Amino acid sequence: AQKVTQAQTEISVVEKEDVTLDCVYETRDTTYYLFWYKQPPSGELVFLIRRNSFDEQNEISGRYSWNFQKSTSSFNFTITASQVVDSAVYFCALSFLYSGGGADGLTFGKGTHLIIQP
Amino acid sequence: EPEVTQTPSHQVTQMGQEVILRCVPISNHLYFYWYRQILGQKVEFLVSFYNNEISEKSEIFDDQFSVERPDGSNFTLKIRSTKLEDSAMYFCASSAGDPSSYNSPLHFGNGTRLTVT
Repeated sequence: AQKVTQAQTEISVVEKEDVTLDCVYETRDTTYYLFWYKQPPSGELVFLIRRNSFDEQNEISGRYSWNFQKSTSSFNFTITASQVVDSAVYFCALSFLYSGGGADGLTFGKGTHLIIQP
Repeated sequence: EPEVTQTPSHQVTQMGQEVILRCVPISNHLYFYWYRQILGQKVEFLVSFYNNEISEKSEIFDDQFSVERPDGSNFTLKIRSTKLEDSAMYFCASSAGDPSSYNSPLHFGNGTRLTVT
């Protein structure tokens, strides 16, 4: 069975601080994908990143960076120089590849509510 | 940029009534999904749909639920006899996913908030 754990329910920081959101996953599959989604107060889900299990390179996109460590089954997300607009719930998610084809679903973590105070 | 659109944004219904939630996926996408999020909780997978049939469904997706792609553009979720616990935000999603890369990112709609009274 797959499982995604986001142990931090809520994080509050002051603007311009760096913040890291933790994500730990469990899966028996050797090929899988990891995702981060942002859910702002308006409620929609916004795709941020997808990483496959073969690629352990860290990725940076502007103020966002992701640290994928297969050895610890973690896929952490860091926001550098946080801004008020970063305030949202952030979800980590996992999916795996069906060898027989077909579309599978994502398993989401419970989300981390990030509050950036001005 | 193409987007997934969902209507209505908010629907209120009485317990026992049937509801149909509507979604228009991104036009060249092949895989379609429904997820739900009970207020304050995590997003949960309901069902995926490909080639005019259900690919996978979760335990939540029982006989009260059904999905349909009635034409080339719409993707609907029907709840036959709503219960109070069906109150949630329902998200539709689609992905381009061809057989070699069907885990391409899901693009979500803005959701339909269903309130069952």
